[in-house]
Amino acid sequence: SQQGEEDPQALSIQEGENATMNCSYKTSINNLQWYRQNSGRGLVHLILIRSNEREKHSGRLRVTLDTSKKSSSLLITASRAADTASYFCATVLPYGNNRLAFGKGNQVVVIP
Amino acid sequence: NAGVTQTPKFQVLKTGQSMTLQCAQDMNHEYMSWYRQDPGMGLRLIHYSVGAGITDQGEVPNGYNVSRSTTEDFPLRLLSAAPSQTSVYFCASSEDRAINYGYTFGSGTRLTVV
Repeated sequence: SQQGEEDPQALSIQEGENATMNCSYKTSINNLQWYRQNSGRGLVHLILIRSNEREKHSGRLRVTLDTSKKSSSLLITASRAADTASYFCATVLPYGNNRLAFGKGNQVVVIP
Repeated sequence: NAGVTQTPKFQVLKTGQSMTLQCAQDMNHEYMSWYRQDPGMGLRLIHYSVGAGITDQGEVPNGYNVSRSTTEDFPLRLLSAAPSQTSVYFCASSEDRAINYGYTFGSGTRLTVV
């Protein structure tokens, strides 16, 4: 079964605006990761946040993790047209060979 | 360039045919996995390997076989293709089972079974 579930499923914003995506999960985790997928391409790892971390930054990306609510959010600040992509959250469980379980993804369209 | 290489990029098969999707990585990663991506379903794990000679099943293993004879290669075999196996297949590798680092993905193989 899918561990991560993103919300909202599709987001359309103007260039320069911020984009926020949420992800919820069901079980305890070792870490949570966010990936980007441009149309027709493979997934690219963006950021990893461990279960004992609450917030992490990487360039224009900010990820938060709330283990009590089993949820995470990804914020992209000052969006650009090149940020148009699908964004997936994925969780690594603390057992079972640490397999990576993906959510269904968020489609983000940044309008120039 | 270091990374995960998948071949072929596109393939059309007839129902009942067999084929092997190739995956190779040159980063000396021990952990490799195969995912399929279908519209509205996200990525689902087919098989994975924690090192040469060791493989295990993921969420949707039926109809697929894998082997891991070397650290570099992790081929995925479709035994008798079915239309339900029409999908985009991704191979991925990780340095440390994604505990501290993310996965590196290949560019995918788009498979159509007619």
